[in-house]
Amino acid sequence: NAGVTQTPKFQVLKTGQSMTLQCAQDMNHNSMYWYRQDPGMGLRLIYYSASEGTTDKGEVPNGYNVSRLNKREFSLRLESAAPSQTSVYFCASSEVTGANYYNSPLHFGNGTRLTVT
Amino acid sequence: RKEVEQDPGPFNVPEGATVAFNCTYSNSASQSFFWYRQDCRKEPKLLMSVYSSGNEDGRFTAQLNRASQYISLLIRDSKLSDSATYLCVVNGDSGNTPLVFGKGTRLSVIA
Repeated sequence: NAGVTQTPKFQVLKTGQSMTLQCAQDMNHNSMYWYRQDPGMGLRLIYYSASEGTTDKGEVPNGYNVSRLNKREFSLRLESAAPSQTSVYFCASSEVTGANYYNSPLHFGNGTRLTVT
Repeated sequence: RKEVEQDPGPFNVPEGATVAFNCTYSNSASQSFFWYRQDCRKEPKLLMSVYSSGNEDGRFTAQLNRASQYISLLIRDSKLSDSATYLCVVNGDSGNTPLVFGKGTRLSVIA
């Protein structure tokens, strides 16, 4: 029972490089999310996808793009990495219950530790 | 006022002690409340949901006070393994927006 799987676990980039963080869930959840976590800042929402085919900006979307490839997969892309994007990135998913998408708890992947030099 | 506020701690308590954390939230329309636990360098994991009438899971008790807009977590008979950061999680600005995380309260249980 894999749950939410993120790849890679670690990555070092140089400023200006691009990369895509991959996330897949096998729980048949409709909603998926990307958060970043920085010391003293807590978890901040970058982008989310309420359901397949939709994506929305969260609190800190600048410098990122996302793709909801299908129901299982939600990727996060850094087009031109900056040192300010050094962080731990968590993907999460949740089950939709009724009309309110956000009554359900989140299930997290193990995280990707990204360093941009 | 920030959406979800927690005392960052750290709370340093001896084994066997009872410890309580509070968390305040800004939006009276919030509908969903959770406590998560996060160990160092790990992902957050759901500890328990918080229901209107309060709920208990073993040594953990969660309460919701809608009038004062706070939730609480009580841990009885603390164990060394309870040492972690506890995150308060609430619906966003409206009931139909993603969950917002507090910055967490760090607990250290000391032998």
